Amino acid sequence: EAQVTQNPRYLITVTGKKLTVTCSQNMNHEYMSWYRQDPGLGLRQIYYSMNVEVTDKGDVPEGYKVSRKEKRNFPLILESPSPNQTSLYFCASRGTNTGELFFGEGSRLTVL
Amino acid sequence: SQQGEEDPQALSIQEGENATMNCSYKTSINNLQWYRQNSGRGLVHLILIRSNEREKHSGRLRVTLDTSKKSSSLLITASRAADTASYFCAPRSSGGSYIPTFGRGTSLIVHP
Repeated sequence: EAQVTQNPRYLITVTGKKLTVTCSQNMNHEYMSWYRQDPGLGLRQIYYSMNVEVTDKGDVPEGYKVSRKEKRNFPLILESPSPNQTSLYFCASRGTNTGELFFGEGSRLTVL
Repeated sequence: SQQGEEDPQALSIQEGENATMNCSYKTSINNLQWYRQNSGRGLVHLILIRSNEREKHSGRLRVTLDTSKKSSSLLITASRAADTASYFCAPRSSGGSYIPTFGRGTSLIVHP
């Protein structure tokens, strides 16, 4: 089954404690992306990756890092989380032909 | 920007009524896709319409595209309570790399 898997789905952490949200896709997609969603602000793009070892900033990259060492994985790293990073995070990958995006189920992060 | 802007931001209707939401965009496109998001879940692809198509149907969904006005509409006929969700459009520009970004969506509530 084609899917994008994110972990953890829920996390409560404290300010400054490094964390990583993993994302894995099994569709051999080259493009992957991270979004955050906050009430009233829609989906905002954090980082995206056009292929292995190629990453670029989206609209709200501050406070985040990513890496793309292999095609299937695209982890989101919060080196020193702050309360304003409390949000719902989505990873997505897309196919080349139509550009259809496949989303993970989301990771709800709370930073105290 | 490849982002689409959905309108209205919120729509509340009774079961059985039709729901219409609109999307405006700024660039020439290859295609435009509509997505649905149930509360707190990942977006799910609904339908794609290509730039050379004017109308497309899928079950109770009808999408139209007017490239001269740079706009699209999504019509859900005979709405059900289960259609309650947020709906997003994603235009794919005809030039350059496709970096999907999203607006704030239309929040649809269908009252039983």
